[in-house]
Amino acid sequence: AQSVTQLGSHVSVSEGALVLLRCNYSSSVPPYLFWYVQYPNQGLQLLLKYTSAATLVKGINGFEAEFKKSETSFHLTKPSAHMSDAAEYFCAVSDQSGGAQKLVFGQGTRLTINP
Amino acid sequence: DAGVTQSPTHLIKTRGQQVTLRCSPKSGHDTVSWYQQALGQGPQFIFQYYEEEERQRGNFPDRFSGHQFPNYSSELNVNALLLGDSALYLCASSFLSGGAVTQYFGPGTRLTVL
Repeated sequence: AQSVTQLGSHVSVSEGALVLLRCNYSSSVPPYLFWYVQYPNQGLQLLLKYTSAATLVKGINGFEAEFKKSETSFHLTKPSAHMSDAAEYFCAVSDQSGGAQKLVFGQGTRLTINP
Repeated sequence: DAGVTQSPTHLIKTRGQQVTLRCSPKSGHDTVSWYQQALGQGPQFIFQYYEEEERQRGNFPDRFSGHQFPNYSSELNVNALLLGDSALYLCASSFLSGGAVTQYFGPGTRLTVL
């Protein structure tokens, strides 16, 4: 079965600094991978997705992620953090076993931005 | 174009009661999935509906049931509520197709069981 591990439940960076959120996956087939963001008291918003077209994926709000098969990783980065980036971030892998394409999520990483 | 909508926003119930949560998918979408997000956790898959049938169920007891209507909207029912059912319930809609299916999430329903 597919699974996702997010390293670091909390990440804190200064405004303007690099953001790096780590995600490693386990999949027996070529994976479809997603990053979602959740602001307080809200649902999940899609940031970006990997579908095997290109290893470097650009998303909304200046975020991007690189798929590295050799490392089974899909880390999320942003060159310069903004206060509005403070939120919970979830990495997910698509699991198609059982007939339905469902998402398997990591535990999440809470990103704090320091002024 | 309206996104995924869910109702109600918040709900407070007592142990043993029953609850019904509702979801309207994004326009053009035919598939609805339900997830449970406990506090401090990632969402967990409950089940998925397509063509008014349950396609797959996650590791949840039979107290959790659902329904999809001809207009693709969906309900999640939970019977005999337990304290542990307190969570954010998220509905996600998608269009069934090959390849990578993107699921779009609603704002969720916060259920508190006392």
